Amino acid sequence: QKEVEQDPGPLSVPEGAIVSLNCTYSNSAFQYFMWYRQYSRKGPELLMYTYSSGNKEDGRFTAQVDKSSKYISLFIRDSQPSDSATYLCAGRPTGANNLFFGTGTRLTVIP
Amino acid sequence: NAGVTQTPKFQVLKTGQSMTLQCAQDMNHEYMSWYRQDPGMGLRLIHYSVGAGITDQGEVPNGYNVSRSTTEDFPLRLLSAAPSQTSVYFCASSKDTQLGYGYTFGSGTRLTVV
Repeated sequence: QKEVEQDPGPLSVPEGAIVSLNCTYSNSAFQYFMWYRQYSRKGPELLMYTYSSGNKEDGRFTAQVDKSSKYISLFIRDSQPSDSATYLCAGRPTGANNLFFGTGTRLTVIP
Repeated sequence: NAGVTQTPKFQVLKTGQSMTLQCAQDMNHEYMSWYRQDPGMGLRLIHYSVGAGITDQGEVPNGYNVSRSTTEDFPLRLLSAAPSQTSVYFCASSKDTQLGYGYTFGSGTRLTVV
């Protein structure tokens, strides 16, 4: 079982829709959670970072962590065609150096 | 400030050949790592380093060697290339993983082994 599980999609939505991307993780020691965005043929770039449980908002993006259910979510409001990319969730246990990544969800926003 | 620079961007190797993938960062990051990305498998950690002179294995280290003689550089060596090593390779660095800083990734090296 992978440390982080993520539905690979693909997911297609119309422009302006609210997008919900989700991951689950198995390691209770995870404390740091991140979302990366990866455009085609590019390296991943850090989009959102959260520590422990709770919500974090940045513009149209909201990251949510529910440690009781080991569930990580990313919400995109007013989605734009430029949001079309693969989104990777990641988690890191306390005391560890390395991130564990989900397989990524490919999102397409249709104009 | 170039960030993380990977070379080459593309490479085709014959089975059994060796090569070195280069990774350099100019952000004075202590932590550096190598991942490979394959369809349906996501990013898998090959090797990582928490500082010059210190390296350790990740999830899929077989067939790869690394060294870290300087803070800036973290080359990945393929000893005897195999078709199973066909993948996209990413180098990543971080200022301080213990404080929860995220990774900065390079743009990747696409390797094909025939």
